[in-house]
Amino acid sequence: TQLLEQSPQFLSIQEGENLTVYCNSSSVFSSLQWYRQEPGEGPVLLVTVVTGGEVKKLKRLTFQFGDARKDSSLHITAAQPGDTGLYLCAGARSDYKLSFGAGTTVTVRA
Amino acid sequence: DVKVTQSSRYLVKRTGEKVFLECVQDMDHENMFWYRQDPGLGLRLIYFSYDVKMKEKGDIPEGYSVSREKKERFSLILESASTNQTSMYLCASSSQTGLDSYEQYFGPGTRLTVT
Repeated sequence: TQLLEQSPQFLSIQEGENLTVYCNSSSVFSSLQWYRQEPGEGPVLLVTVVTGGEVKKLKRLTFQFGDARKDSSLHITAAQPGDTGLYLCAGARSDYKLSFGAGTTVTVRA
Repeated sequence: DVKVTQSSRYLVKRTGEKVFLECVQDMDHENMFWYRQDPGLGLRLIYFSYDVKMKEKGDIPEGYSVSREKKERFSLILESASTNQTSMYLCASSSQTGLDSYEQYFGPGTRLTVT
């Protein structure tokens, strides 16, 4: 059983469209991270959110941490083919460990 | 630039073989992790080390062991490989300083196939 549930599992959109990926849990996390993984590579950290209600922007990517620190979302505006990849959310557990969601595979078609 | 390297990108082994996967980080991080990644299951923690010679079982340690003799190196050992250990194996490291302690840096992964 995943501690963190991500939805949707797969997302295929046309270049220029917007998309949102969700990460939900029944547990409260002290912080939550988003990673992107490209085929054949390891995940790369995109952002860490810490405060309930926090919104962080990274160019066309907007990350939000829920008020209760149980959920998060990633919104991409005007998606580009370079945004293609597996997006993973991860919540902080005790003692430096993370719990990962199963991931959302995003494909942006040119 | 921070770097985590893994000894092999692809590996094919036979059932029953002993398999060593090695990971090296150059960031002087105290924490190192081994995960396996399977479709639809995300990353699952196999073992974790928070210091040299210190290790802690993760969520799925059965069939695996680890070794950390030096700070920069963390090895994953499959004592007797089985077909259900066919997977992508990812190594990661992190520091023990504040919020950075939850920011993990990953290697490129080793895709292991056991036949």
